[in-house]
Amino acid sequence: GAVVSQHPSRVICKSGTSVKIECRSLDFQATTMFWYRQFPKQSLMLMATSNEGSKATYEQGVEKDKFLINHASLTLSTLTVTSAHPEDSSFYICSAPDRESSPLHFGNGTRLTVT
Amino acid sequence: GQNIDQPTEMTATEGAIVQINCTYQTSGFNGLFWYQQHAGEAPTFLSYNVLDGLEEKGRFSSFLSRSKGYSYLLLKELQMKDSASYLCAAMDSNYQLIWGAGTKLIIKP
Repeated sequence: GAVVSQHPSRVICKSGTSVKIECRSLDFQATTMFWYRQFPKQSLMLMATSNEGSKATYEQGVEKDKFLINHASLTLSTLTVTSAHPEDSSFYICSAPDRESSPLHFGNGTRLTVT
Repeated sequence: GQNIDQPTEMTATEGAIVQINCTYQTSGFNGLFWYQQHAGEAPTFLSYNVLDGLEEKGRFSSFLSRSKGYSYLLLKELQMKDSASYLCAAMDSNYQLIWGAGTKLIIKP
């Protein structure tokens, strides 16, 4: 079945540094990739929608200059958390449908801890 | 506006049956999804309904009534490993998923 590979699974970084998270669709072409953030004991919060070859669409309240999204190919989307701060510590998850209206295929998530 | 409602938390006994309800209001509708999420892990897909009726898949079944904007997830023969959050999500006319806050299911022996 369709698989989304997300790396790294865990990252600890110092405040002020940048972290890049990668999501790859392994056996399908992901024209759209969704990036979510999830705080402990809360539901998924959509951060942005990335579309291959065009600018990402950010949800209200999400800083596009802080959370840089690049979807340069049909199989790779990246999220870079720039100048990370402790409040950015969260669980970041990517997902993509293999076609319209199909179930989303989720990556395994990235646990980011900013010290 | 668009909205998904589901209970925050439910408790059930091992071996029993539990029904998790979800009501939705979306701009257009392209289906209703249920996901299971264990703490600290990504969600995993359980079911997708786009037509009215009941879809059965092993111990899990999902029901949809489009006219009522209502769905439920039915879990039978509950096992301890079923303790998790269950997320209801409706897909709108733009194929965007609107997520519920999730129902935390606690299974007691």
